[in-house]
Amino acid sequence: KQEVTQIPAALSVPEGENLVLNCSFTDSAIYNLQWFRQDPGKGLTSLLLIQSSQREQTSGRLNASLDKSSGRSTLYIAASQPGDSATYLCAVIGTDSWGKLQFGAGTQVVVTP
Amino acid sequence: DAGVTQSPTHLIKTRGQQVTLRCSPKSGHDTVSWYQQALGQGPQFIFQYYEEEERQRGNFPDRFSGHQFPNYSSELNVNALLLGDSALYLCASSLEGLFGNTIYFGEGSWLTVV
Repeated sequence: KQEVTQIPAALSVPEGENLVLNCSFTDSAIYNLQWFRQDPGKGLTSLLLIQSSQREQTSGRLNASLDKSSGRSTLYIAASQPGDSATYLCAVIGTDSWGKLQFGAGTQVVVTP
Repeated sequence: DAGVTQSPTHLIKTRGQQVTLRCSPKSGHDTVSWYQQALGQGPQFIFQYYEEEERQRGNFPDRFSGHQFPNYSSELNVNALLLGDSALYLCASSLEGLFGNTIYFGEGSWLTVV
């Protein structure tokens, strides 16, 4: 059974620092891994999608890496801003799961001015 | 291009009542999945619909049921509501077979059971 874990559960950094968010999963048989952002009381916004054959994806200040063999992904956010404050969730789609996302519990990020 | 839309955004129900939540997928998407997110937790998969059939289901009781219409929109029904059903219900849409594509979520429906 796939288990997805995100550590730490919460993180507070001053503006301008780089953010490093971790995601681990127990079963390496995945199609892809997706990072989402969730603002309080809102739905999920997709940030980056990494296919199982890829090592990383980049979008602006965001970079996500994937090491499928070790069951790990890391989301880097460069030069954090107060607007980056949100909860960040990672989710995987298993090769036997017909597009079902398995989520971690998320990392709540606060960027202080 | 409209994204995933859900209604209602908020609702309050009494224990034992029934509720229906609605979802319209992103244009061009034919697969709809529903997730339940309790406070402080990640979303949990409820079920997925494709071609008007429930294709797979998570660990949720039969009180949770759904439907998909020919235009791909979907409903989630919950009967005999319990206090523990209070959560954010999220709808996600995707295109069948393209598991490598991004999955899009709606803003969710906040259900409070009192």
